[in-house]
Formats: sequence, C-alpha cells, structure tokens
Amino acid sequence: GESVGLHLPTLSVQEGDNSIINCAYSNSASDYFIWYKQESGKGPQFIIDIRSNMDKRQGQRVTVLLNKTVKHLSLQIAATQPGDSAVYFCAEASGNTPLVFGKGTRLSVIA
Amino acid sequence: DSGVTQTPKHLITATGQRVTLRCSPRSGDLSVYWYQQSLDQGLQFLIQYYNGEERAKGNILERFSAQQFPDLHSELNLSSLELGDSALYFCASSVEGAPYGYTFGSGTRLTVV
Repeated sequence: GESVGLHLPTLSVQEGDNSIINCAYSNSASDYFIWYKQESGKGPQFIIDIRSNMDKRQGQRVTVLLNKTVKHLSLQIAATQPGDSAVYFCAEASGNTPLVFGKGTRLSVIA
Repeated sequence: DSGVTQTPKHLITATGQRVTLRCSPRSGDLSVYWYQQSLDQGLQFLIQYYNGEERAKGNILERFSAQQFPDLHSELNLSSLELGDSALYFCASSVEGAPYGYTFGSGTRLTVV
C-alpha cells in the first residue's frame, strides 16, 4: 500500500488497550468537528462528528470529547484492535465553511 | 467503496505539463470539495463547488482550476506542473453545501518528474 509519509506524531498502543488521540484547534468560531481515519493507500474515512453544543458523543467503540474552553478535541478508541492502525485527522468548520484539517496522528497497534 | 470515484488512481507526468483529475460524487451529493495532501502538509483545502457553482476557494494556485459539470462530476486541472505539485489529490462530496461528514474518494496520486 501507499504511505502518506507525513512526519506525524505517533501513538503506539497495545492491542486491547484504550487509545486517546488529541487535537487542538485554533478557531474559536468553529462549531462543527469531525474525526477521520486514513489507512494506507485510501482516502479519509468518517469516524464520528460532534457539534459545538455538545461536549461528548459516543459511537461504536469510539467517543469524541470537546472542550471549547481550551479548544481541545479528543478521540477515544476502546479496546484498540490491529485494524485501528491508521492516521487519524481531526477537522473543524465554522458555519458552512469547508473542513479545515489538522496534521494528523499515526496510531500503531502492537499485537 | 465510498461512492466517490476518482480517476486516474496514479498519474506520472513531467514538469511543465498539464493534467486533469476527475471526480464523480456520491449519488445525490451536490457539493464537491478538492483537497491536496502532500508530505508534511496534511490535507489542504483547494476549492468547493455546489451544484455547478464555485462555493469556496482555499489555497489553490493560479495554475490550478476546477469546474463542476451539469451531471455534477468535477474536474481539477493542474497546469505548468512543478515538482512540488506531487501529492495526493482527494475529492470529497456531500449532500448540501455544508461540511457535515463529507465522503472522500480514494484519491489520485500525482507524481511530477
């Protein structure tokens, strides 16, 4: 497969442990946030989103937390599996503006 | 399969040349977004079209242009190519003009030699 090859922060976790990926955003007017997963050779894939009127949202094995006070977003993955190994991007938008993406974090799961 | 189709998957071309990347959005989606992903830059927004009209413009070079056709497919034209234009180019689509959960294609990898 193709590697994006970005010089990214890397998070290594043991299979079965929980993962927490963090993201700081800069625009205090942003009202929509989203996490994408990008596997090698593929396009970004939607994981979960959250609007600014919420501070927590849960999906299947994933939870997104939003702290507007410090402009921080996190993605928690429960019981991390080898298939979770990928680059994870947070993105933000204000109103109808297009998504602005962060640099990404590479998650490596150790079997 | 995300439903967003991008062609070609790979493109190798020489400096100074011109290429066209094509994107077919997911059925029913009216908005198309183009992003560039290069080393150390993450995903950079280039341009958005909604129902045939340009809706938003990002850091798109003057050498680059795009359009969305009546059947809603979009093309990104890159001209006078430079080595630094080598990157992955992604197209995404969404139903409305708003950014909520848009769907990405698998990208076109452009290599300029």
